[in-house]
Amino acid sequence: RKEVEQDPGPFNVPEGATVAFNCTYSNSASQSFFWYRQDCRKEPKLLMSVYSSGNEDGRFTAQLNRASQYISLLIRDSKLSDSATYLCVAAPSGGYQKVTFGTGTKLQVIP
Amino acid sequence: DTEVTQTPKHLVMGMTNKKSLKCEQHMGHRAMYWYKQKAKKPPELMFVYSYEKLSINESVPSRFSPECPNSSLLNLHLHALQPEDSALYLCASSLPGGELFFGEGSRLTVL
Repeated sequence: RKEVEQDPGPFNVPEGATVAFNCTYSNSASQSFFWYRQDCRKEPKLLMSVYSSGNEDGRFTAQLNRASQYISLLIRDSKLSDSATYLCVAAPSGGYQKVTFGTGTKLQVIP
Repeated sequence: DTEVTQTPKHLVMGMTNKKSLKCEQHMGHRAMYWYKQKAKKPPELMFVYSYEKLSINESVPSRFSPECPNSSLLNLHLHALQPEDSALYLCASSLPGGELFFGEGSRLTVL
């Protein structure tokens, strides 16, 4: 079983739709969680950190459920520019350690 | 605009060549990382330097040799690479326990 699992997709959604991605992690020692987006042939860019209380940034909402060991990302009112691969990341507490990437979920927003 | 800069952006080399990838960050981060990413896969950790010392080596073949001249600079020396080493090489930096900030990457092709 992979340490961080994501549905690879692709998720093909029309503009304006709401789409949700889930990510599960198996290492209960993971303390910090992040969502990155990666455009084709570009570097990953941080989209959001994920907090236990949940956090929102414009059209994006991230949630963490420690009991069930999953993280979610909700995108409302999808734009064409949201088309990308979304990577879920779990990190151990503190220090400079190895983080674990999920395999990524591909989103394609269709006009 | 990324605050982690990598050069060169593209590199083509033969299996007998020696080349170097360079990375620089000006965010005052004390950890720097090298990742390798193949198409449709997540980034794969190669090396971590924290406080200018090598702290993690993910059993990378010796044909890849990292170097950290100071807290802002990170190099990856390449020698006798194989065609399967062709990939996007990403440099990143971070605060402790914090998110990774990636450079734009160096796309390497080994002939």
